Amino acid sequence: NAGVTQTPKFRVLKTGQSMTLLCAQDMNHEYMYWYRQDPGMGLRLIHYSVGEGTTAKGEVPDGYNVSRLKKQNFLLGLESAAPSQTSVYFCASSYSSLSFLRNTGELFFGEGSRLTVL
Amino acid sequence: AQSVTQPDIHITVSEGASLELRCNYSYGATPYLFWYVQSPGQGLQLLLKYFSGDTLVQGIKGFEAEFKRSQSSFNLRKPSVHWSDAAEYFCAVGVNAGNNRKLIWGLGTSLAVNP
Repeated sequence: NAGVTQTPKFRVLKTGQSMTLLCAQDMNHEYMYWYRQDPGMGLRLIHYSVGEGTTAKGEVPDGYNVSRLKKQNFLLGLESAAPSQTSVYFCASSYSSLSFLRNTGELFFGEGSRLTVL
Repeated sequence: AQSVTQPDIHITVSEGASLELRCNYSYGATPYLFWYVQSPGQGLQLLLKYFSGDTLVQGIKGFEAEFKRSQSSFNLRKPSVHWSDAAEYFCAVGVNAGNNRKLIWGLGTSLAVNP
């Protein structure tokens, strides 16, 4: 039972390079999220998706793009990496239901992807 | 404004000692409350959650938390800490956001355990 899997786990980029982080979940969750974690700033939501083919901006979306072409996958792209994007990135997913009360906001996390931009 | 405060950035306890990590929130309605733990180099794992009912909830790894509505708090406790409990602990509150809920995160409390 893999849960949420992120690839790659580590990456070093030079300023201006592009890359894509892949998140895959096998729990049939509708909702998926990308967070970044920085010291002293906790978790900040970058983008999220409430279903296949839909994406929305979170708190800190600038410099990132996302796509959700398949329900199980959520991609985070950096078109032109900057040193300020050095961070640990976490993907998460959550269950949703037509019953609002069952959508409790509980998240299931991947193990993280550590990105360094030089 | 909706917010979550974890007043203690860093806590050090001795192995075998009791632990209490504080969490206070600001939210107008009844929240869904969570504690997550992040071990070094790992992702976040749910420790426990409160949705309704009994205000004292039990979680994994021997942790418990108590919801106190009057104090807007959801403090995490463990009677006897083990060295493996050294980690970062995050409190989160699930709030209404349209047809979904979103999580408001605290900044975390780093726990160190002395042998």
